[in-house]
Amino acid sequence: NAGVTQTPKFQVLKTGQSMTLQCAQDMNHEYMSWYRQDPGMGLRLIHYSVGAGITDQGEVPNGYNVSRSTTEDFPLRLLSAAPSQTSVYFCASSGPHNTEAFFGQGTRLTVV
Amino acid sequence: GQSLEQPSEVTAVEGAIVQINCTYQTSGFYGLSWYQQHDGGAPTFLSYNALDGLEETGRFSSFLSRSDSYGYLLLQELQMKDSASYFCAVRPLSGYSTLTFGKGTMLLVSP
Repeated sequence: NAGVTQTPKFQVLKTGQSMTLQCAQDMNHEYMSWYRQDPGMGLRLIHYSVGAGITDQGEVPNGYNVSRSTTEDFPLRLLSAAPSQTSVYFCASSGPHNTEAFFGQGTRLTVV
Repeated sequence: GQSLEQPSEVTAVEGAIVQINCTYQTSGFYGLSWYQQHDGGAPTFLSYNALDGLEETGRFSSFLSRSDSYGYLLLQELQMKDSASYFCAVRPLSGYSTLTFGKGTMLLVSP
């Protein structure tokens, strides 16, 4: 059972480039979320989804897009990378009661 | 909105007991969770309190008091491998499928 899989694990982008962070889960969870983690800031919610075809903004959505075409996949798109988006990104999924979230291993993104 | 406060760092020795506190200001939530994170790896779930009181899972216990807007994680018989960051998080009423995290507490366990 793979759980939540994120790719890539590491990425370096130049300012202005775009890219997609991939997230897939095999637990048939309806709820999926993207968080970013910066030193001393904890995890902050970027976007989330309560099911296929439904997404919404979290605390820090600017500069990011998401889509949820299937239950399994929840990609995060950086439209035009900025140095302020240098961070560690975590994808998470949870079941209907959301009492336990499962996290991917993270993507370490550096924007230069 | 939601705001959760935790100490930034706690130190303890092997075999001891340590308590990590979490105080919060929130417009309403379903429950309080705790997550452990080693060296920037994936956060992993430790416990969830939907109701006031103590929840025990092995060496770890978690407590919630809604009237005091307060919770804590209690770690007993500390081991070196317990050195990690610990986050409290709430599942808000306004975003039931998400979590709002505190900034985390780094626990350093020494021999």
